[in-house]
Amino acid sequence: AQSVTQLDSQVPVFEEAPVELRCNYSSSVSVYLFWYVQYPNQGLQLLLKYLSGSTLVKGINGFEAEFNKSQTSFHLRKPSVHISDTAEYFCAVSDYYKLSFGAGTTVTVRA
Amino acid sequence: DSGVTQTPKHLITATGQRVTLRCSPRSGDLSVYWYQQSLDQGLQFLIQYYNGEERAKGNILERFSAQQFPDLHSELNLSSLELGDSALYFCASSWTGDMNTEAFFGQGTRLTVV
Repeated sequence: AQSVTQLDSQVPVFEEAPVELRCNYSSSVSVYLFWYVQYPNQGLQLLLKYLSGSTLVKGINGFEAEFNKSQTSFHLRKPSVHISDTAEYFCAVSDYYKLSFGAGTTVTVRA
Repeated sequence: DSGVTQTPKHLITATGQRVTLRCSPRSGDLSVYWYQQSLDQGLQFLIQYYNGEERAKGNILERFSAQQFPDLHSELNLSSLELGDSALYFCASSWTGDMNTEAFFGQGTRLTVV
């Protein structure tokens, strides 16, 4: 079965500082990986996805992630965060018909 | 606004009752997915419909059922409700039958069972 593990449950960060959210995956077949963001009282929004090709994936709002097959990781990064990036972030793996989500990482950006 | 509409936004009901959650997908989307988000279980896939037919099933209890209608809206029926069913229920839609195509999520229905 495919699964993802998010290594940090909470990440506090100061405004304009970089942030990295860590995600490891477990899969025995082709892997399709996603990062979603959930703002307070909102649904989930796709930040970026890796299906194949370049291992560096660029997403919306200045986020990017790197697929690392040898380390089975798909970490999300942003070089400079804003207050508006305060949200919960979910890593997910697809088996085509469904997404299996990690437990989520709460990012709190402070001024 | 994702274009996916879920009603109602909030629902409070008693144990043992039955409720129906409704989802209208984005215009043109054929697939509807239902997810449950709770504090102890996190985000769990429940069920997927594609153009009216059940395509995939996840950790959906027997007390729960869903369907997708000819106009492509979907309903999730929860019966014999228990306190543990309290959660945020999300619907997502995509135009294909798989989640590798971007799926758009609604804002969810928050169900509270008292």
